[in-house]
Amino acid sequence: DAGITQSPRYKITETGRQVTLMCHQTWSHSYMFWYRQDLGHGLRLIYYSAAADITDKGEVPDGYVVSRSKTENFPLTLESATRSQTSVYFCASGRTNSNQPQHFGDGTRLSIL
Amino acid sequence: EDQVTQSPEALRLQEGESSSLNCSYTVSGLRGLFWYRQDPGKGPEFLFTLYSAGEEKEKERLKATLTKKESFLHITAPKPEDSATYLCAAQTGANNLFFGTGTRLTVIP
Repeated sequence: DAGITQSPRYKITETGRQVTLMCHQTWSHSYMFWYRQDLGHGLRLIYYSAAADITDKGEVPDGYVVSRSKTENFPLTLESATRSQTSVYFCASGRTNSNQPQHFGDGTRLSIL
Repeated sequence: EDQVTQSPEALRLQEGESSSLNCSYTVSGLRGLFWYRQDPGKGPEFLFTLYSAGEEKEKERLKATLTKKESFLHITAPKPEDSATYLCAAQTGANNLFFGTGTRLTVIP
């Protein structure tokens, strides 16, 4: 089925470790996005990508790294995880970055101990 | 400062009891107002996009409306399966998307 898939769905790790969250979409959308969702906050944009090899920072990029070597994949890496990065992470994709809805995966729940 | 505020935070309705959810926004040059539904453990699911004041869109028991300062999501005769968190998001002229914190709707049979 076409859609957007995130893996893993759940992850527990320790502070200081590197962890990578995966995102794969089958719609061939140009744009892909990473958000985090925390209680008391709306979804906040971490990074986005307009196309392969083009990425840009969002509202809360510190501590995160992204890459996009293929249009369909957009991994998010926490290079040295901190407890403040415990959150639910959502990947989304869209045809454009303007006036078009974004379509979301089901999220990765990440706990950092 | 660009901001989106949703109210109420939580709403409990009896089945069949109609109501409205509010999304107030202050953004620079609104390009679009989006409504999403989010079920527990799932990602947001797109419902509607509204582009200009006065616009309305409907889908089953849901109707979204837009003014220059706020958007409403009207729910007519809700059913238990309408229970979810409803998110709104406003896109600015600079293409930044700001999300509200959502309204958690519970419909009691």
